Amino acid sequence: QSALTQPASVSGSPGQSITISCTGTSSDVGSYNLVSWYQQHPGKAPKLMIYEGSKRPSGVSNRFSGSKSGNTASLTISGLQAEDEADYYCCSYAGSSTFVFGGGTKLTVL
Amino acid sequence: QVQLVQSGAEVKKPGASVKVSCKASGYTFTSYYMHWVRQAPGQGLEWMGIINPSGGSTSYAQKFQGRVTMTRDTSTSTVYMELSSLRSEDTAVYYCAREGGDSSSGPTWSCDYWGQGTLVTVSS
Repeated sequence: QSALTQPASVSGSPGQSITISCTGTSSDVGSYNLVSWYQQHPGKAPKLMIYEGSKRPSGVSNRFSGSKSGNTASLTISGLQAEDEADYYCCSYAGSSTFVFGGGTKLTVL
Repeated sequence: QVQLVQSGAEVKKPGASVKVSCKASGYTFTSYYMHWVRQAPGQGLEWMGIINPSGGSTSYAQKFQGRVTMTRDTSTSTVYMELSSLRSEDTAVYYCAREGGDSSSGPTWSCDYWGQGTLVTVSS
């Protein structure tokens, strides 16, 4: 199972919007609407931000949104804030009760 | 409130085994699958496998097949992850994470609650 492909880093200024892509294959991202996104601050456990492609857990800001097109899922953060600076990981169901993560993207708020 | 409390840090020699525990509270233990995810220093997240606390069935990532065993104890609401034949590359923080969907609604294949992580260091 190969890891999903994410850009190593993205950056944006406060108030701007950024999008992080997550590219898989027709065996994972492309076959299921089961992509989730996680935010991880240094030294902390990951936090679920998006599940089932576009759903937000209770308590997660509506500035975070998810979408998918073909084999690529995307996480968009609008109205960028300083506290959004973190690592972001995508994850997808890959069939046969298995899961695969992306390599992670470091978001820098300028 | 949902809590996942993991066992403490471990230092192991190459070739040894390690068993990490994850005690759940604040919800019906047998209604939610549990994932195990690890993160090597400075690296990304890596999914290791999943266990159904109700029946004990498991599914492991191909990479860990034959080396990992996930079990559970319903009397104490605890799941365990044992990794054998340890090598230096297994040095990582190991997390348990609850599956987001319960047994009635079905899995969402996401991890909604995470343990605090257990650092396992493999060194001679």
